[in-house]
Amino acid sequence: GENVEQHPSTLSVQEGDSAVIKCTYSDSASNYFPWYKQELGKRPQLIIDIRSNVGEKKDQRIAVTLNKTAKHFSLHITETQPEDSAVYFCAARDRGFQKLVFGTGTRLLVSP
Amino acid sequence: EPEVTQTPSHQVTQMGQEVILRCVPISNHLYFYWYRQILGQKVEFLVSFYNNEISEKSEIFDDQFSVERPDGSNFTLKIRSTKLEDSAMYFCASSEGTVGEKLFFGSGTQLSVL
Repeated sequence: GENVEQHPSTLSVQEGDSAVIKCTYSDSASNYFPWYKQELGKRPQLIIDIRSNVGEKKDQRIAVTLNKTAKHFSLHITETQPEDSAVYFCAARDRGFQKLVFGTGTRLLVSP
Repeated sequence: EPEVTQTPSHQVTQMGQEVILRCVPISNHLYFYWYRQILGQKVEFLVSFYNNEISEKSEIFDDQFSVERPDGSNFTLKIRSTKLEDSAMYFCASSEGTVGEKLFFGSGTQLSVL
């Protein structure tokens, strides 16, 4: 089955810097890749997602890139702000299934 | 903005007892899910539900687990005889369109089995 690895587990940046979180997946049949943000004590919230027929997607300060050949996808946050501090989860869904397989999460800390 | 709501936020139970976790999905959503997260581990899929029946389940979702949509709004997860290893945060989610995409999660029920 699908396996998703996520790196780094923690990431500390200064306000205004960029942050990049990387995930790899194992099943080449996976075709949907969402990213979730979870603030302390709150629900996971979908921040951006990408399908396998697209290489890059951007929404204001966040972007996701997908490399199907290498089976990895990345979340890019530019001009980070303290309110970006949270745990970020990547996930992948195999085309033939309904379940999302999640990475282990990255704790992002943005210092003012 | 519509939200998935879950009750209770915390549940403490004794091993061997039955628990029911409750969820109210977003009203126009068609697909419902349960996921769980054991402390320090990945979020794991348990089950998906569509048109009043289970559409996919994981190996975790054994005979001790069941789901039900008893009325037009609630979606429940029952664990018949809880084990210590069932202690986890249980998340309900729902989605509107393509199954398995754009899931909206509830804020979770922290289940502690003693």
